[in-house]
Amino acid sequence: ETGVTQSPTHLIKTRGQQVTLRCSSQSGHNTVSWYQQALGQGPQFIFQYYREEENGRGNFPPRFSGLQFPNYSSELNVNALELDDSALYLCASSGTSGWNAYEQYFGPGTRLTVT
Amino acid sequence: DAKTTQPTSMDCAEGRAANLPCNHSTISGNEYVYWYRQIHSQGPQYIIHGLKNNETNEMASLIITEDRKSSTLILPHATLRDTAVYYCIVRVGGDDMRFGAGTRLTVKP
Repeated sequence: ETGVTQSPTHLIKTRGQQVTLRCSSQSGHNTVSWYQQALGQGPQFIFQYYREEENGRGNFPPRFSGLQFPNYSSELNVNALELDDSALYLCASSGTSGWNAYEQYFGPGTRLTVT
Repeated sequence: DAKTTQPTSMDCAEGRAANLPCNHSTISGNEYVYWYRQIHSQGPQYIIHGLKNNETNEMASLIITEDRKSSTLILPHATLRDTAVYYCIVRVGGDDMRFGAGTRLTVKP
């Protein structure tokens, strides 16, 4: 059983550019959630995808968008990057059955720096 | 916003039990208490969760008060590798997780 993986590990972008971050969910999981973690703070929920549909969204502007694919992997896209978008972006996958249903398994994150 | 209150930081001696408190006075009847931890620069790691009964697994024990307004995570024999930020989260299964600032636990030799 493979865990949650994310790519790339680190990324440097310039203000105004666009970025795509990728996440492969754990085997058997059909739900993916994305979080943004600024330095020194707890993760903040961006949105969740369940069976390829957005299933909840936090307080983030529309320039943060996502996709989930039939194999349940996911992408996070951020347009018009701002300096404040510099953060660790975390992906978490979860299933929907059993005692451990909805328990989220996190990937190692992608460190995005916007200059 | 997070629905929990935790101390900002705690210290614990290596080999001793670490008891991390969490207040969740507005918890609803169908909300579970989850604990995660985050070791520096890694993704959060699931520890344990419970509804109203005490729970124990290979990592920790979770004690929930009878009125469910507070809980305590117990690491029975803390090691240096348990140094991390510990997050207490209340949620209905399937809902998004709202992280607060957590408790920074430092285990000292």
